[in-house]
Amino acid sequence: KAGVTQTPRYLIKTRGQQVTLSCSPISGHRSVSWYQQTPGQGLQFLFEYFSETQRNKGNFPGRFSGRQFSNSRSEMNVSTLELGDSALYLCASSLLGAGANVLTFGAGSRLTVL
Amino acid sequence: QKEVEQNSGPLSVPEGAIASLNCTYSDRVSQSFFWYRQYSGKSPELIMSIYSNGDKEDGRFTAQLNKASQYVSLLIRDSQPSDSATYLCAVNIGLGSNTGKLIFGQGTTLQVKP
Repeated sequence: KAGVTQTPRYLIKTRGQQVTLSCSPISGHRSVSWYQQTPGQGLQFLFEYFSETQRNKGNFPGRFSGRQFSNSRSEMNVSTLELGDSALYLCASSLLGAGANVLTFGAGSRLTVL
Repeated sequence: QKEVEQNSGPLSVPEGAIASLNCTYSDRVSQSFFWYRQYSGKSPELIMSIYSNGDKEDGRFTAQLNKASQYVSLLIRDSQPSDSATYLCAVNIGLGSNTGKLIFGQGTTLQVKP
């Protein structure tokens, strides 16, 4: 069974640019969540999508956005990049259901903003 | 007060010893609790999930939950050098635990010395 696939794995951007990251969840998983991990702030929740609808949103500025497609694949976009956006962006998928909110993480996309 | 707190460590134990990792959370109505392990340069992987008060054992790992004290712990018996990693406590804060939104602690770094 294939795991959560994130692309690209590494990318370098400059301030002011925008970036789009992609996530393919485990087959059958309809919930996709995005997290940002930095050494200073740790793992922070960005947003969650389920059935193409955003269910939850973390405390990030509007420059961070996402969407989910009918096949459950998800993308997140960061516009007008800032140096502080340098981080590991992790996507996680889950089945959801009674007691089934166990997240499986992808390998992550490491973004460096210069 | 942070929503999920862990001692950052490092926690150093000799091989074969019991490692005890602790976590406290702020929201009394939280219902789902998780321990993730993260090796350096890798993404988090689920070790244990626990939803009810008491102990839950899985191999060398035991999770303990005390909702009255808002406390969850992870015990690793017969610690091995391969257990050296950062251990992340995660909580579904509040009601509606069937979501992909988890609040993570900063993580405890465990070092198991041969």
